[in-house]
Amino acid sequence: AQKVTQAQTEISVVEKEDVTLDCVYETRDTTYYLFWYKQPPSGELVFLIRRNSFDEQNEISGRYSWNFQKSTSSFNFTITASQVVDSAVYFCALSETTNQGGKLIFGQGTELSVKP
Amino acid sequence: NAGVTQTPKFRVLKTGQSMTLLCAQDMNHEYMYWYRQDPGMGLRLIHYSVGEGTTAKGEVPDGYNVSRLKKQNFLLGLESAAPSQTSVYFCASSYSSWLAGAETQYFGPGTRLLVL
Repeated sequence: AQKVTQAQTEISVVEKEDVTLDCVYETRDTTYYLFWYKQPPSGELVFLIRRNSFDEQNEISGRYSWNFQKSTSSFNFTITASQVVDSAVYFCALSETTNQGGKLIFGQGTELSVKP
Repeated sequence: NAGVTQTPKFRVLKTGQSMTLLCAQDMNHEYMYWYRQDPGMGLRLIHYSVGEGTTAKGEVPDGYNVSRLKKQNFLLGLESAAPSQTSVYFCASSYSSWLAGAETQYFGPGTRLLVL
């Protein structure tokens, strides 16, 4: 069965520290997609990245980077030199291509608090 | 371009009352979704639609009904509200794809519902 686990419920760091948010997934599909969303205190869900299962290259976007490792079924998210504005709940999600309609399966979320 | 909008933003209901949540998107997306977000549980899919006039059940459909009479709108109904339906409701939409699950879902701002 499909599942996404974000074992870290809450993380607290001081500004400028690097922080990694873990995401582990389970799926029987060979083709699937992984996503990260950010939910700031205002409540909306902001799309950050999409990665397909055939692309294991790490991705970097400014201070954000993502490490996809199929061998360990993980898709971890690192924020370098964290800032107070990074404080939010971050969700990892999985979409299986055998599921009609492309439904997302979400992890429980990791609440990141960046203190000045 | 408003993206995905939801009406209302906040509502308080008494047990047994009914209400309809409205989701509208102006991106010409084929697929639309309703999720609920509860503390510590991430987002869970209630119902979804892969096109005008079609709907399907998600992970937690009991107590809800949906309709997609127009491509741009997706309605979520609660016929007889229960305290267990207190939650934040998110609507999302995406393009259709030859490969299910490949497209990114874009979310509305959410509706906070409190059932007393």
